[in-house]
Amino acid sequence: EVQLVESGGGLVQPGGSLRLSCAASGFNVSDNYITWVRQAPGKGLEWVSVIYSDGRTYYADSLKGRFTISRDNSRNTLYFQMNSLRGEDTAVYYCARERVVYGDYVRHDAFDIWGQGTMVTVSS
Amino acid sequence: DIQLTQSPSFLSASVGDRVTITCRASQGISSYLAWYQQKPGKAPKVLIYAASTLQSGVPSRFSGSRSGTEFTLTISSLQPEDFATYYCQQLSSYPLITFGQGTRLEIK
Repeated sequence: EVQLVESGGGLVQPGGSLRLSCAASGFNVSDNYITWVRQAPGKGLEWVSVIYSDGRTYYADSLKGRFTISRDNSRNTLYFQMNSLRGEDTAVYYCARERVVYGDYVRHDAFDIWGQGTMVTVSS
Repeated sequence: DIQLTQSPSFLSASVGDRVTITCRASQGISSYLAWYQQKPGKAPKVLIYAASTLQSGVPSRFSGSRSGTEFTLTISSLQPEDFATYYCQQLSSYPLITFGQGTRLEIK
């Protein structure tokens, strides 16, 4: 079965760190674009980061260098290291696989596989 | 940044109704737009991509269209399981993807 399973969320104090994991099955993370999206309580969806199949990484400007996305191909798992956490980082964090079509150019269509989400609460 | 504005933000409708949700982009995004459905406590699910292509397994009562920078999601005959929040997403300025603010569809 093709799926993503997140883990690692929890309660952390402001200024603290947390590492989220996103384990894939049914496909290889190394062959895909995998993204992180977060959703604050009662709010909408916010894209935060992506790792390309070639290993390039990009982040939303709002993260200001505090977060790092990485992957372990041998474990078929993505990681999201979050440092200097703030109250506004409180959210459900989802990892998602992108539907990408390769032709004359790379076309990004949608996020077709999502994990169940993991809750991160930043509070003292 | 490309902004997406959805309307309405809240919609009340009955089973069997035809409903339309609009998403307007702040600049041209070609057809790089997707629609998602999200139910409480669950991850979003893609319904439509490339503005009008139905994702495999999604019922045909869902459809999408584009006119310039205005995009619409139409549900031809609402079913009880369709009551949820809907989001549009632009991928034109990839990787700087943005979502609309959401449209909450509730039972009248």
